[in-house]
Amino acid sequence: QSVLTQPPSVSGAPGQRVAISCTGSSSNIGAGYDVHWYQQLPGTAPKLLIYGNNNRPSGVPDRFSGSKSGSSASLAITGLQAEDEADYYCQSYDSGRSVSNWVFGGGTKLTVL
Amino acid sequence: QVQLVQSGAEVKKAGASVRVSCKSSGYIFTSYDINWVRQAPGQGLEWMGWMNPNNGNTGYAQRFLGRVTMTRNLSTSEAFLELKRLRSDDTAVYYCARNWGYYFDQWGLGTLVIVSS
Repeated sequence: QSVLTQPPSVSGAPGQRVAISCTGSSSNIGAGYDVHWYQQLPGTAPKLLIYGNNNRPSGVPDRFSGSKSGSSASLAITGLQAEDEADYYCQSYDSGRSVSNWVFGGGTKLTVL
Repeated sequence: QVQLVQSGAEVKKAGASVRVSCKSSGYIFTSYDINWVRQAPGQGLEWMGWMNPNNGNTGYAQRFLGRVTMTRNLSTSEAFLELKRLRSDDTAVYYCARNWGYYFDQWGLGTLVIVSS
């Protein structure tokens, strides 16, 4: 299983707010490493959505926001739109292994009802 | 604009090797690490390793040690992933991704590798 834990699925109606959690441990998020989020639309490559816990790259709507506390992080999407239906992945850095590396959550499928 | 253009799909027999390329443009190739991330059908993202194009240094995820090699060609601004002793569970889409700080800000479109027994 993945080093970072995400719920397999979340859903919401258009216009609603949803949140996706990402839980890590003392060797990654809890060690102070930033959390980043990616959006993967069906059949496409992942796209950077949030970096450094709560920063949006140019072009990402402000409906998307991130936060981090302790060993966990969260992605919030407000004003849900049909085009937000996608898989979302959190990512951080893990220093707890013999070869330090980057780690991902297992992904969360967002369904817009 | 920044682009990472990957090579085409591959079909390989179990036990063989595969080499995937990732051609960078729109930025200074040696200024950013290139990482490789794979995604098995219906599964999540799995980080495989990084390469510093400036000096060729690499770091691989533990589970790929001994089977993976990441290299580059400075004259063509290309990064390469070679995976040896392929197994059926290596069937996946392989992505190259540019590393900025601790996150991946640009991704290639992916290369499908199918391993048949």
